[in-house]
Amino acid sequence: QQKVQQSPESLIVPEGGMASLNCTFSDRNSQYFWWYRQHSGEGPKALMSIFSNGDKKEGRFTAHLNKASLHVSLHIKDSQPSDSALYFCAVSGDSNYQLIWGSGTKLIIKP
Amino acid sequence: GPKVLQIPSHQIIDMGQMVTLNCDPVSNHLYFYWYKQILGQQMEFLVNFYNGKVMEKSKLFKDQFSVERPDGSYFTLKIQPTALEDSAVYFCASSWDFAETLYFGSGTRLTVL
Repeated sequence: QQKVQQSPESLIVPEGGMASLNCTFSDRNSQYFWWYRQHSGEGPKALMSIFSNGDKKEGRFTAHLNKASLHVSLHIKDSQPSDSALYFCAVSGDSNYQLIWGSGTKLIIKP
Repeated sequence: GPKVLQIPSHQIIDMGQMVTLNCDPVSNHLYFYWYKQILGQQMEFLVNFYNGKVMEKSKLFKDQFSVERPDGSYFTLKIQPTALEDSAVYFCASSWDFAETLYFGSGTRLTVL
């Protein structure tokens, strides 16, 4: 059974700084990895997906995947107050029909 | 971007009553999902639905839960009867394919008294 864990639970980063969020998973055969962001009172919104080992950059956001070490990370450059939110890592489960979600990292960007 | 609409945004009911949560998914999406979230914590998968059938459900999808999408209308989650532990925010999501991005609604906050 796939297990997904995120760290840290919460993170405070100064405005303009770099935020680094981590996610570990248990199934080396996992294929699909997403980062979602949820602002208070809203549903999660997809930030980016990554399916291959290495880095994927979209604007200020960079995801890094290392399947051998069962690790995926998200780095946010030049953090803005609007980046303050709950960030989820989601990984495809045993069947690929469902995603297994981490418990989230609460990111606070301090002006 | 694509929008998923959930109705109502809040629902308060007495324990034992029936409740139906409604979701209007993105128009050309084929896969539909319900998730449960308690106190802004982890998103917990309940069920996914494709081509008129439940594809997969979790242990949280109790016998009192059912889903349907009659004739391409709303995708609904029905709970009958409700229990206190059903109090949560329920999110509907849809996707074009099972390996594609999920688009979520804003959730229905269900309070069971």
